[in-house]
Amino acid sequence: DAKTTQPPSMDCAEGRAANLPCNHSTISGNEYVYWYRQIHSQGPQYIIHGLKNNETNEMASLIITEDRKSSTLILPHATLRDTAVYYCIVKSNFGNEKLTFGTGTRLTIIP
Amino acid sequence: KAGVTQTPRYLIKTRGQQVTLSCSPISGHRSVSWYQQTPGQGLQFLFEYFSETQRNKGNFPGRFSGRQFSNSRSEMNVSTLELGDSALYLCASSLLASGAAGEQFFGPGTRLTVL
Repeated sequence: DAKTTQPPSMDCAEGRAANLPCNHSTISGNEYVYWYRQIHSQGPQYIIHGLKNNETNEMASLIITEDRKSSTLILPHATLRDTAVYYCIVKSNFGNEKLTFGTGTRLTIIP
Repeated sequence: KAGVTQTPRYLIKTRGQQVTLSCSPISGHRSVSWYQQTPGQGLQFLFEYFSETQRNKGNFPGRFSGRQFSNSRSEMNVSTLELGDSALYLCASSLLASGAAGEQFFGPGTRLTVL
């Protein structure tokens, strides 16, 4: 069973903030939330990850709700180059768990 | 620092042949994972190697195999190719084994077409 649920597609106007939601209602205490994206015909690219605190890096911000059942990836000023499939992945960093990619959200940035 | 490199980038084979794909991880990375991506099944995990040992294996038939060398470079082999093996094969490297961290760096992939 999939650990995350994401909308299949979203549009966002260029220059606006893109907010990509992810539901992970069965997340356990030691599982992290990871975000990757895949631009057409390229390998996936790591964006950001977090456990329970909000995180920010040069690419994006990750907002995790207090109950950790959902999160939002924010691209603050979307550009056309941000058009990609975005994957939200829940994964423990203990044991031998691998990354499991779902179907993701296809984000299209509109000029 | 150079990224993950995969060779060849494109490959055309016929059914029944075998193929070997190569992956050179980022310098210092000891974990290499392989994935298959198809339009129908998406990104699926094949296997992971860490320090020359297979640590994890996905749900693929035995025709799919791999190995890792002492310099962390990895190869994957597919024998007796089938039409359904046509896919983008992606390699990802990481400093730690994937069980300990989820930050992986992916190569550009090898596009395999089986005729």
